[in-house]
Amino acid sequence: AQSVTQLDSHVSVSEGTPVLLRCNYSSSYSPSLFWYVQHPNKGLQLLLKYTSAATLVKGINGFEAEFKKSETSFHLTKPSAHMSDAAEYFCVVRPKARGGADGLTFGKGTHLIIQP
Amino acid sequence: KAGVTQTPRYLIKTRGQQVTLSCSPISGHRSVSWYQQTPGQGLQFLFEYFSETQRNKGNFPGRFSGRQFSNSRSEMNVSTLELGDSALYLCASSFSHGAIAEAFFGQGTRLTVV
Repeated sequence: AQSVTQLDSHVSVSEGTPVLLRCNYSSSYSPSLFWYVQHPNKGLQLLLKYTSAATLVKGINGFEAEFKKSETSFHLTKPSAHMSDAAEYFCVVRPKARGGADGLTFGKGTHLIIQP
Repeated sequence: KAGVTQTPRYLIKTRGQQVTLSCSPISGHRSVSWYQQTPGQGLQFLFEYFSETQRNKGNFPGRFSGRQFSNSRSEMNVSTLELGDSALYLCASSFSHGAIAEAFFGQGTRLTVV
């Protein structure tokens, strides 16, 4: 079985300051990990993914995440927040065993608020 | 390239009725999966289809069913609707199945059961 815990339901930062969204996962098998973003009334957009290559993964819009197996973490960061980053962010895990047949398991989401 | 298309975007149904939602994947994608999003439960996996075969099913009652056609388009059906079925239903398509396949999501169908 697998699970995802997003440690903060809401994060508020000022525009131009760093963003940190925390994610811990649990998986019986080696996982693939993803971060998705959802803007209001929109579908989910993939920000980045980790599938076992480099542990530091760079994504779109300046976001990156680091896979730390020893800490079972996959935190999302961005050096400088922009107003357009305000959205809901989801950390997602999918175990590689059974060909990924278990579907995506989503965290509860972190609502990112950007203060002007 | 067109994205994942879900129709309709909004639906209002009465308790006890049934509903069918449609998903057209990105051209060339053969895997389609469905998710339910609610404020209380978040995003939950319903089922995944690849080459017209259901590969896996989440923990939902049998009232929720789906199918995939030879052109990879997919439909999901919910019978005997309950108030708790009100949710945003998201469809995602992937080029292939498997853990590393990127899933591309549609904008969803918002179902309201009254």
